Amino acid sequence: KAGVTQTPRYLIKTRGQQVTLSCSPISGHRSVSWYQQTPGQGLQFLFEYFSETQRNKGNFPGRFSGRQFSNSRSEMNVSTLELGDSALYLCASSIAGQETQYFGPGTRLLVL
Amino acid sequence: QKEVEQDPGPLSVPEGAIVSLNCTYSNSAFQYFMWYRQYSRKGPELLMYTYSSGNKEDGRFTAQVDKSSKYISLFIRDSQPSDSATYLCAMSDGGGSNYKLTFGKGTLLTVNP
Repeated sequence: KAGVTQTPRYLIKTRGQQVTLSCSPISGHRSVSWYQQTPGQGLQFLFEYFSETQRNKGNFPGRFSGRQFSNSRSEMNVSTLELGDSALYLCASSIAGQETQYFGPGTRLLVL
Repeated sequence: QKEVEQDPGPLSVPEGAIVSLNCTYSNSAFQYFMWYRQYSRKGPELLMYTYSSGNKEDGRFTAQVDKSSKYISLFIRDSQPSDSATYLCAMSDGGGSNYKLTFGKGTLLTVNP
């Protein structure tokens, strides 16, 4: 079974731009979560989607948003990029009703 | 106080050593405990998953949870150079539809041949 895939793998943007990252979950997984990983803060929860609905949100500004499509694929968007948004953005999927989450390889975003 | 504390290391051991990795937490609502392994420039890979207190063994890996002390451990027996990675503990309260994982910052482990 194919794992979680994320595109693109690497991205360079400049301050003020916006970016959209994509995640395809494991087949059959309906829950998709997004995390930001930085050396200083570690892995921090952004939000979780299930059946196209955001069920849980972390403590990030409104510039960070996401959505989920009917096929469970998810996108996250960051508007008005700041230097501090440089990070590894990880997507994880899980089967509804289970706690274990499986991560993709991440998208490494560099904001200049 | 952070919800989950994890010694960042780095930890360096010789091949064949027993490795002990630990996390403490403050939220007594946590019921689900996981250990992930993350190689450099890769996503985290689920290693072990336990519910509530107790031990769980899988090959060379043993996970322990002591909810009374709010302390979890991962033991690696007969460590190998391929075990060199960052190890992350993660936990959740599993309340309702809450699938948020709270992570420790990770411990960097190097196993020297």
